[in-house]
Amino acid sequence: GAGVSQSPSNKVTEKGKDVELRCDPISGHTALYWYRQRLGQGLEFLIYFQGNSAPDKSGLPSDRFSAERTGESVSTLTIQRTQQEDSAVYLCASSLKVANSPLHFGNGTRLTVT
Amino acid sequence: DQQVKQNSPSLSVQEGRISILNCDYTNSMFDYFLWYKKYPAEGPTFLISISSIKDKNEDGRFTVFLNKSAKHLSLHIVPSQPGDSAVYFCAAANFGNEKLTFGTGTRLTIIP
Repeated sequence: GAGVSQSPSNKVTEKGKDVELRCDPISGHTALYWYRQRLGQGLEFLIYFQGNSAPDKSGLPSDRFSAERTGESVSTLTIQRTQQEDSAVYLCASSLKVANSPLHFGNGTRLTVT
Repeated sequence: DQQVKQNSPSLSVQEGRISILNCDYTNSMFDYFLWYKKYPAEGPTFLISISSIKDKNEDGRFTVFLNKSAKHLSLHIVPSQPGDSAVYFCAAANFGNEKLTFGTGTRLTIIP
C-alpha cells in the first residue's frame, strides 16, 4: 500500500518486558515522527527523524525509550522494561522534507502493559 | 502545560447544519496551525491548515479561521454530513519546526 504501515497493530505485554514497534513510512518521505496517545489525551510528540538521524528526541519520556531509523526508511521504537503507564497508542507519521508539509499517520500500535 | 487546548471534548450537530470546532493556544511563537480528523482505529488524517499571515483558509466544506490576537482558531464544516463524525485534533507549530503540538481532540457526532 501507499500509506504508512505500523506493526503490530496490537501488542499486549507483561510489565518489565521489552517491546519493539515498527514503522514503514511512505516511500520517499525523508521525515519520520513518533507520537503517542494515552487514553483521553492528545497526541504527545516523542521523536523526529530526518533521514537516519534524530535532531529532536526531546519527547522521549525516559531512557527506557529509544528509536532508530535505517536506510532512510524503516524505524523501530523500543521500550525497555515496560511499565503500565507506557500503555498507549503509538503513532508513526512521515512527511516530505518541505517546511510544515502535512504529516501522514499510520494506524498506530495499541500497546497494553499488564 | 497544555499549549494547545480544545475545551469541548464532544459536540453533536444535526446533519446539514454548521459544525464549529474551537481551539485555543498559549504559545505566541506558534505561527502555523493544522486540523486533523481521526476515525476509530485509524491514524489522524490531515484536513486543512493555516499560517499566521492569513486569517481564513477555505477548502470545500471546511474553513479554518485564525484570530491571532485572541490566540484562537476554529474549524467550520458546512454543511455537516454523517461521514464527518470523527475526533478532530487541532495542532500548532512554529513554521519550519518539525514538532507539532496537538490538542486533546473534540469528538464530533453528526445526527442524521
